[in-house]
Amino acid sequence: AQTVTQSQPEMSVQEAETVTLSCTYDTSESDYYLFWYKQPPSRQMILVIRQEAYKQQNATENRFSVNFQKAAKSFSLKISDSQLGDAAMYFCAYRSARKLIFGTGTRLQVFP
Amino acid sequence: KAGVTQTPRYLIKTRGQQVTLSCSPISGHRSVSWYQQTPGQGLQFLFEYFSETQRNKGNFPGRFSGRQFSNSRSEMNVSTLELGDSALYLCASSLRLAGRMNQETQYFGPGTRLLVL
Repeated sequence: AQTVTQSQPEMSVQEAETVTLSCTYDTSESDYYLFWYKQPPSRQMILVIRQEAYKQQNATENRFSVNFQKAAKSFSLKISDSQLGDAAMYFCAYRSARKLIFGTGTRLQVFP
Repeated sequence: KAGVTQTPRYLIKTRGQQVTLSCSPISGHRSVSWYQQTPGQGLQFLFEYFSETQRNKGNFPGRFSGRQFSNSRSEMNVSTLELGDSALYLCASSLRLAGRMNQETQYFGPGTRLLVL
């Protein structure tokens, strides 16, 4: 069975600085998708970025980018130029055949 | 295009009652999945519906059920509520194109917060 692990329960960053959130996963599949979702205090789950496992190029969305290491089964999220609005819970997720499997989340605090 | 909508947003029930939650997917999306989020268990998959049929089910008791209508709207029902059912229930929709299941992004609604007293 697939598992997703986020080893950092909490992280903090200064506004305008860069922070990296870690995620590792375990799977025997070769074709899959990985996602980072953001859940602000409103509890709305918002898609941040997604990565196709067959693509070697790391996905990028504006200030958000990933470091995808398929062999190591690692999928970290880098947030550049952090903003106060980035403060939220961040969930790493693995897309299996019929469902998303979530990690336990990392709470990101952003200080001015 | 409107996002996923869920009603009601907040609900308070007492033990033993039953509850029905509703989810309207993004227009054109045919698959609806339900998740339960609690502080202790995190985000857990409940079930997925596609073409009015339950396609997959998580590890939850039979008190949790659902259905999907021909317009892709979905409802989930919890009978004989227990205190432990207090949670945020999230609905997510995706296109569900043939042969692309693993590729499809799920888009989430705002959730229904259920409190069982």
